Amino acid sequence: DVKVTQSSRYLVKRTGEKVFLECVQDMDHENMFWYRQDPGLGLRLIYFSYDVKMKEKGDIPEGYSVSREKKERFSLILESASTNQTSMYLCASSAIRGQGAPDTEAFFGQGTRLTVV
Amino acid sequence: RKEVEQDPGPFNVPEGATVAFNCTYSNSASQSFFWYRQDCRKEPKLLMSVYSSGNEDGRFTAQLNRASQYISLLIRDSKLSDSATYLCVVNRESSYKLIFGSGTRLLVRP
Repeated sequence: DVKVTQSSRYLVKRTGEKVFLECVQDMDHENMFWYRQDPGLGLRLIYFSYDVKMKEKGDIPEGYSVSREKKERFSLILESASTNQTSMYLCASSAIRGQGAPDTEAFFGQGTRLTVV
Repeated sequence: RKEVEQDPGPFNVPEGATVAFNCTYSNSASQSFFWYRQDCRKEPKLLMSVYSSGNEDGRFTAQLNRASQYISLLIRDSKLSDSATYLCVVNRESSYKLIFGSGTRLLVRP
């Protein structure tokens, strides 16, 4: 059974703290994603990684950084947490689509609900 | 303009009804299209990919209209268990970045 695991379901942090959200996948997927989900705004892409040590900014990277030292692990870092980063954070992974292969689906972790106080 | 736009709903329908959702996307270079389903307080899960020729999976039919840049999802014979938020997903140009719409909420009542 495929699995994407996020380290925490619920997290409460103080303003200004450095926060690490961890995500591990066991499917040997090349692509990994971090999204945040807010009411009325849907899922917004923060960062994307297509290989170890490779990353691309998504639509809302400000205030975040990422680390992909190993293929199975993709970490999201909030450098200095702020209250507007209170949100649900979702990690996902997907495989590289081979030539002529059907589109590959993204598998999600169960999410981390982060509250910054 | 949002890259992927959906009517947020909610669509409130009786059991057995047929309901259809549309989603428009702005980037004509997008190549991959999906519908995901998200239950309350759960992670999104793939419902179905959307192929150029249209595709069907049981009670669910997905269509793609490249000329008008929209995809659709038709649900026939709605069940109570179909109540969820349906997310339209499009890849950004030729990359693997997946861009999500805000979702359309469906409520199926007895």
